[in-house]
Amino acid sequence: GNSVTQMEGPVTLSEEAFLTINCTYTATGYPSLFWYVQYPGEGLQLLLKATKADDKGSNKGFEATYRKETTSFHLEKGSVQVSDSAVYFCALSDESGANSKLTFGKGITLSVRP
Amino acid sequence: ETGVTQSPTHLIKTRGQQVTLRCSSQSGHNTVSWYQQALGQGPQFIFQYYREEENGRGNFPPRFSGLQFPNYSSELNVNALELDDSALYLCASSFPARETQYFGPGTRLLVL
Repeated sequence: GNSVTQMEGPVTLSEEAFLTINCTYTATGYPSLFWYVQYPGEGLQLLLKATKADDKGSNKGFEATYRKETTSFHLEKGSVQVSDSAVYFCALSDESGANSKLTFGKGITLSVRP
Repeated sequence: ETGVTQSPTHLIKTRGQQVTLRCSSQSGHNTVSWYQQALGQGPQFIFQYYREEENGRGNFPPRFSGLQFPNYSSELNVNALELDDSALYLCASSFPARETQYFGPGTRLLVL
């Protein structure tokens, strides 16, 4: 079945540091890939997505590139801010059936210090 | 444009009871999916409703059931609650079924 693996956390960075959060996936077919962010006490917000190989999703300074050859979708940001502190989830959308259920990784907590 | 809303925000039940959670989809979205997020874990797919019919189900027992109404709002019902049902329940809507899903703030259920 489909699965998403995220790097172990938590991650603690100083403000303006470079961020990389690794995500790899296992899937049949050609899934769409997503990064969702969850701020404390809230639901999930879509951060960015990519729907086919070599697509780059970007939003709020975050970027991720759909790499089919390495089955990866790593999240990067050049300079993190305190307000980026949250839990980040990598997910894929099952395109093989009629529905589009999302399969999520376990999430990683990012804390950014001033 | 109104986003996805869920009610109630928090709920406390005891083991063996039944619970109903509600979700209003984003304007124009005809598909609703439900997810269970246990503490410290990623969300797990429960089921999806499209045009009032179940359109896929995850690995959850039959005591988890749902409904979708003509206005595309949805309910999640859980019977015979167990302690392990304590979690954040998330509703997501999309249009059509295979497009990007947008999540509500969730209902936090505690089973004692």
